[in-house]
Amino acid sequence: ELKVEQNPLFLSMQEGKNYTIYCNYSTTSDRLYWYRQDPGKSLESLFVLLSNGAVKQEGRLMASLDTKARLSTLHITAAVHDLSATYFCAATSWDTDKLIFGTGTRLQVFP
Amino acid sequence: DAGVTQSPTHLIKTRGQQVTLRCSPKSGHDTVSWYQQALGQGPQFIFQYYEEEERQRGNFPDRFSGHQFPNYSSELNVNALLLGDSALYLCASSPGQFREQYFGPGTRLTVT
Repeated sequence: ELKVEQNPLFLSMQEGKNYTIYCNYSTTSDRLYWYRQDPGKSLESLFVLLSNGAVKQEGRLMASLDTKARLSTLHITAAVHDLSATYFCAATSWDTDKLIFGTGTRLQVFP
Repeated sequence: DAGVTQSPTHLIKTRGQQVTLRCSPKSGHDTVSWYQQALGQGPQFIFQYYEEEERQRGNFPDRFSGHQFPNYSSELNVNALLLGDSALYLCASSPGQFREQYFGPGTRLTVT
């Protein structure tokens, strides 16, 4: 059964600093997603990673996928306050369409 | 082009009651999935509807049921509500199975 783990659960970082959120999954997955969620709001899709070595970047966020290590990372460059939110990774396996979510990483960026 | 819409936005019910939540998929999408997100947790898959049939189901009791209409919209029904059913219920649509899912704004259900 596919399981997804994220760390850290909480991340408090200063503006301008860099940090990485890690997402491990337990069995073969064919798609890996990253979402952002603001308090009380729905999920905003950030990235979809489909193949080993995939790297995608949008602004200060960059996501990568290593299928051999069953690991995806979300790297934050020069954090700004507007990035404060909860970030989820989610995976699907080849035989099911359901998204399996990690526990989320609550990011707080302070001046 | 309207995205995924859900109604109502918020709902308060009493234990033991029944509730129906509604979802209209994004234009061109025919597959609808439902997720439950308890406070402080990641969303949990409830079930998916495609061609008006439940195609996949997560680990939720039979109290949770659904329906998909010919226009691809969907309903989630929960019977005999428990306090633990309080959560944000998210609907997601996709243009077929095994395609990227797009989430709606959610319905916040509070059971007292």
